[in-house]
Amino acid sequence: ETGVTQTPRHLVMGMTNKKSLKCEQHLGHNAMYWYKQSAKKPLELMFVYNFKEQTENNSVPSRFSPECPNSSHLFLHLHTLQPEDSALYLCASSQSLAEDNEQFFGPGTRLTVL
Amino acid sequence: GNSVTQMEGPVTLSEEAFLTINCTYTATGYPSLFWYVQYPGEGLQLLLKATKADDKGSNKGFEATYRKETTSFHLEKGSVQVSDSAVYFCALSDIPMRFGAGTRLTVKP
Repeated sequence: ETGVTQTPRHLVMGMTNKKSLKCEQHLGHNAMYWYKQSAKKPLELMFVYNFKEQTENNSVPSRFSPECPNSSHLFLHLHTLQPEDSALYLCASSQSLAEDNEQFFGPGTRLTVL
Repeated sequence: GNSVTQMEGPVTLSEEAFLTINCTYTATGYPSLFWYVQYPGEGLQLLLKATKADDKGSNKGFEATYRKETTSFHLEKGSVQVSDSAVYFCALSDIPMRFGAGTRLTVKP
């Protein structure tokens, strides 16, 4: 595997379910990101991790819970979601948080909340 | 704070037409500027970038010039193809990076 991978690619869940999204980067990067992409807000930064430490949480509801066990893996744990949480969830990584660093994106998980 | 503003879409063109997608920025200091592209069913990928004023980034026939005097970084391509249909994001270096709202381009045969 190369680059940034995300699983699953598609997920349908009910509002009472608990599920997790997984992201893995094979680039040796130290910073990882979760974004939400929807028709209302095309690219919305949710969380930022740098060397496994969370550095940014953009007022994301607590029903989204991130976890970064090491620099290569990032999870987004989901519980009691709402239909408006249906969106494409993108993971990205970069070498560091330095300003000029290119971000590399995974293909995303298309989430549908019924 | 730092931000980018790009033209709203969608943009629909015929094959071989000329493309311009406008992007302007607001920033303190001298940021780097980027264009990312998102093809259907995929994540974003870097298309081109410029790190200082008057730099021109280019890739796959696309170009953008970093204009400090007009605080702009407009994306251009002389002859678009159906395969260029995608969403294009302008971005500015910051911690973390600032993305524009995206412009959807559809190219018809």
